[in-house]
Amino acid sequence: VQLVDSGGGLVQPGGSLRLSCAASEFSFSTYIMNWVRQAPGKGLEWVSYISTDSNTIYYADSVKGRFTISRDNAKNSLYLQMNSLRDEDTAVYYCARWQGGHFDYWGQGTLVTVSS
Amino acid sequence: SYVLTQPPSVSVAPGKTARITCGGNNIGSKNVHWYQQKPGQAPVVVIYYDSDRPSGIPERVSGSNSGNTATLTISRVEAGDEADYYCQVWDSSSEHVVFGGGTKLTVL
Repeated sequence: VQLVDSGGGLVQPGGSLRLSCAASEFSFSTYIMNWVRQAPGKGLEWVSYISTDSNTIYYADSVKGRFTISRDNAKNSLYLQMNSLRDEDTAVYYCARWQGGHFDYWGQGTLVTVSS
Repeated sequence: SYVLTQPPSVSVAPGKTARITCGGNNIGSKNVHWYQQKPGQAPVVVIYYDSDRPSGIPERVSGSNSGNTATLTISRVEAGDEADYYCQVWDSSSEHVVFGGGTKLTVL
């Protein structure tokens, strides 16, 4: 199983960024996927969940209305579109595979820095 | 929303037993999962469904869950166990994943 996160970088407050997670070595289309983030020096915070067919999506209250999770099963890829970014969105973002209630594999993370 | 409470830090001497707690309202009715995270690395699951161990996790790592407290127990602690540990549940009422605040395990 391999999950490779990308797309992070420096963005100004109010800006947008799109994160990607490339999955390989497993049947991506059959697994629920999530995004989890970790602010510098802080704990883990769940961000979003997407079902295998994209019909069921959940968001943390802190990002609802600003972030959009999506997936492309044909490309074995997971995405997170982040709009209206705030200072407090600064974090390492991980994609993580969902296995019956827990995360069994994680990407290496991609750093998003929101700053003027 | 559902809240999980962990002690910020636990210290233990090598060879002794470390116990890290995770408190939540009637947490015994939920499945609890535990992650280990070392500096600069992604988290790794060490216990899932309260007490199951993934392959590669030693038997000295165990978990329990009852009432309002889940516990991660690490026996015969080694220097390599020094890390941050997080508990996690799925809260079906809010349809949210919930993490505890994390516990830093220090091996003296």
